[in-house]
Amino acid sequence: EPEVTQTPSHQVTQMGQEVILRCVPISNHLYFYWYRQILGQKVEFLVSFYNNEISEKSEIFDDQFSVERPDGSNFTLKIRSTKLEDSAMYFCASRAAVSYEQYFGPGTRLTVT
Amino acid sequence: AQSVTQLGSHVSVSEGALVLLRCNYSSSVPPYLFWYVQYPNQGLQLLLKYTSAATLVKGINGFEAEFKKSETSFHLTKPSAHMSDAAEYFCAVSGTTGNQFYFGTGTSLTVIP
Repeated sequence: EPEVTQTPSHQVTQMGQEVILRCVPISNHLYFYWYRQILGQKVEFLVSFYNNEISEKSEIFDDQFSVERPDGSNFTLKIRSTKLEDSAMYFCASRAAVSYEQYFGPGTRLTVT
Repeated sequence: AQSVTQLGSHVSVSEGALVLLRCNYSSSVPPYLFWYVQYPNQGLQLLLKYTSAATLVKGINGFEAEFKKSETSFHLTKPSAHMSDAAEYFCAVSGTTGNQFYFGTGTSLTVIP
């Protein structure tokens, strides 16, 4: 069964460093998402991406964040200058055009020290 | 605007007992509703979905949920709990734009042998 994959599974970085989280959505899906889950809190929406542009973003997704689909398979989230409060589990999700359910990857745990 | 409330952050049931996890939603448009399960150190797995068809929805692993518009609820049930059901369960709502999901805070289910 097709699934969303994410790399790395765990990323440790120092405050102020740039990180790129990578996702490979399900191949025939057209809508892509990033969510984050701070430890012990709810899953929060960051951004949605369709047709090579951002379609919706939350207030969390400020200028420090960017997304890109550099080729036909990858979908990346970049955090330009990480802060301690960026420590969280980051989930990528994708969905097909004809349905509304989103399929989530296993997540990348980002630890900022 | 959409939001989700999950009553009970922790629920314990005995093996073989009924599982009932509560979810109430708020939505300004007809909602699409989802239940996801998260096992330790794993991503979010879709359990079931409501997308304006039958109000009683059956999902994987013997779970089902009933959409009740009058009560703005979408509670998750399973007649007989199994040890393998121990996990975190998240209810999510999406508006008809089908874009971002709004998640509840999650309910941690413990199954007692």
